[in-house]
Amino acid sequence: DAGITQSPRHKVTETGTPVTLRCHQTENHRYMYWYRQDPGHGLRLIHYSYGVKDTDKGEVSDGYSVSRSKTEDFLLTLESATSSQTSVYFCAISESTPGAGYNEQFFGPGTRLTVL
Amino acid sequence: TQLLEQSPQFLSIQEGENLTVYCNSSSVFSSLQWYRQEPGEGPVLLVTVVTGGEVKKLKRLTFQFGDARKDSSLHITAAQPGDTGLYLCAGAVHNNDMRFGAGTRLTVKP
Repeated sequence: DAGITQSPRHKVTETGTPVTLRCHQTENHRYMYWYRQDPGHGLRLIHYSYGVKDTDKGEVSDGYSVSRSKTEDFLLTLESATSSQTSVYFCAISESTPGAGYNEQFFGPGTRLTVL
Repeated sequence: TQLLEQSPQFLSIQEGENLTVYCNSSSVFSSLQWYRQEPGEGPVLLVTVVTGGEVKKLKRLTFQFGDARKDSSLHITAAQPGDTGLYLCAGAVHNNDMRFGAGTRLTVKP
């Protein structure tokens, strides 16, 4: 199994509070991704990183920010959590870009976030 | 509206039956992937297809990529309870943007 951990695994918070989710990898992969998974929507890309301090927006980036100060860590921050951000959040890593045709994304175990 | 539409949404069958699930889009993809996800875990890659018309086999699973690279199917022969899970397809819109379908939730009863 790829070495990806996510913390916390579960979190309940209140509307308006800041929340930071952490993804840690031991594979030294260049690319890291944050997705959210909601019923009926599948996985949707929030932000991704293609190197230390290099990040870009995904399909549903509004209300989220990310930071990557080290190869192994990718942080997702909800500046002011809203109930619509209740979801399961997955981190993924890959060695090369997904569109290259041979790339595989390895996913972490997920973080279940509930915003009351 | 999902870029990738998967059907059926839910499928419940008996052990030993065959099944096919579909992943359709009006967009062309440079590659398409199939993942399986079990409850409480992240998705795990099953296969990547990159060439229109390509067929890949993984034991009892057969994956096909449409000639126009807009759709794909997954066929399972003689399904087993261990095949139970959420099957997701994902297409590369551009290099770093993988779009996922909502998935087909398969239950194989013993």
